[in-house]
Amino acid sequence: KQEVTQIPAALSVPEGENLVLNCSFTDSAIYNLQWFRQDPGKGLTSLLLIQSSQREQTSGRLNASLDKSSGRSTLYIAASQPGDSATYLCAVLNSGGYQKVTFGTGTKLQVIP
Amino acid sequence: EAQVTQNPRYLITVTGKKLTVTCSQNMNHEYMSWYRQDPGLGLRQIYYSMNVEVTDKGDVPEGYKVSRKEKRNFPLILESPSPNQTSLYFCASRSGGGYEQYFGPGTRLTVT
Repeated sequence: KQEVTQIPAALSVPEGENLVLNCSFTDSAIYNLQWFRQDPGKGLTSLLLIQSSQREQTSGRLNASLDKSSGRSTLYIAASQPGDSATYLCAVLNSGGYQKVTFGTGTKLQVIP
Repeated sequence: EAQVTQNPRYLITVTGKKLTVTCSQNMNHEYMSWYRQDPGLGLRQIYYSMNVEVTDKGDVPEGYKVSRKEKRNFPLILESPSPNQTSLYFCASRSGGGYEQYFGPGTRLTVT
């Protein structure tokens, strides 16, 4: 059974700092990995999608990498801003006939002005 | 505008009273899913559908039913809700292959 872990569970950084969020998964048989952000009491906003054949994706100040063989992904946020404060979730789309999705439990990020 | 909609957004009900949460998408996506989100447990998949009339269980299907009679709609049915089904529910959709998921705004359900 796929298990997805995100470390740390919470992170507090001063504004302007570069930071890395981690996501690890136990089964490398995946179609893709998707990063989301969730604001308190709100829905999920898609940030980046990495296909299993890709190594990284970039969008603005965000860069996500994927190392399928080691079961790891990182989300790099450059020059963090208070507006980046949210919970960040990673989700893997498992390959195979049923294509289930497994989420990590998230990293709660606070960027202090 | 491409979107996934859910109704109702908030619902308070009593144990045993059947309810349906609707989900609709306007992107002609094949795949649709339901998730519940609970503190400390994250998002867990309840049911998913690969196309019309094709559904399968996720990780926590007990106490839920779904149907997919039309491509755009994927309602979640709680035949006899219990307090342990109090949660935040999300519907999502995506196109075939390994494309990104789009999420609805969520439905906060409280069962007393």
